[in-house]
Amino acid sequence: DIQMTQSPSSLSASVGDRVTITCRASQGISNYLAWYQQKPGKVPKLLIYAASTLQSGVPSRFSGSGSGTDFTLTISSLQPEDVATYYCQKYNSGPSITFGQGTRLEIK
Amino acid sequence: QVQLVQSGAEVKKPGSSVKVSCKTSGGTFSSHAISWVRQAPGQGLEWMGGIIPIFGTANYAQKFQGRVTITADGSTSTAYMELSSLRSEDTAVYYCARGREMATLSHYYYDMDVWGQGTTVTVSS
Repeated sequence: DIQMTQSPSSLSASVGDRVTITCRASQGISNYLAWYQQKPGKVPKLLIYAASTLQSGVPSRFSGSGSGTDFTLTISSLQPEDVATYYCQKYNSGPSITFGQGTRLEIK
Repeated sequence: QVQLVQSGAEVKKPGSSVKVSCKTSGGTFSSHAISWVRQAPGQGLEWMGGIIPIFGTANYAQKFQGRVTITADGSTSTAYMELSSLRSEDTAVYYCARGREMATLSHYYYDMDVWGQGTTVTVSS
């Protein structure tokens, strides 16, 4: 099975900072990578799919990049409402889905 | 727009089973995969398995093989997840979620853009 490893597991940043979260796949997955945001007590929300395509309605400060095994989620200017846990998810053609372990983002 | 509505919270004894439902409204049911994802208290998201109703095939994460059964009823646009031999570690919120793209014979599962509200399952003696 393909494993997804996120780093860091948690981070603290200031409002306005540029924030980057990394996700690494144990095997190549092309661009079959999604990012989700989950606020405390809420349902996960799709932010990005196909590694870099922004889901409708998601603020443009969120962006994704990468292909193969290494992927990043970037928030260009951190806002207070971005406090959440972020998960990557692979969905290549093998009939299974795997999530990363999550990255908890806090405001400094 | 598409909505997924799940059944209500459950409290179960260790060793018993639980069956959670997930009804699709406002969109096509059969051609999109429905996945089940659980989240234990304070933990991350864990994919349990999924089903593509039009193909009638279910897939399961290795961890849950033999203990979980996922089914779908096209006549009511409802998917079900049944977990047996419950133990305290199964206490979690269980979500259903719909694949954003239609499944094909070469690619079943995608990212998931519509989620149910979650069903809390508590396993306690």
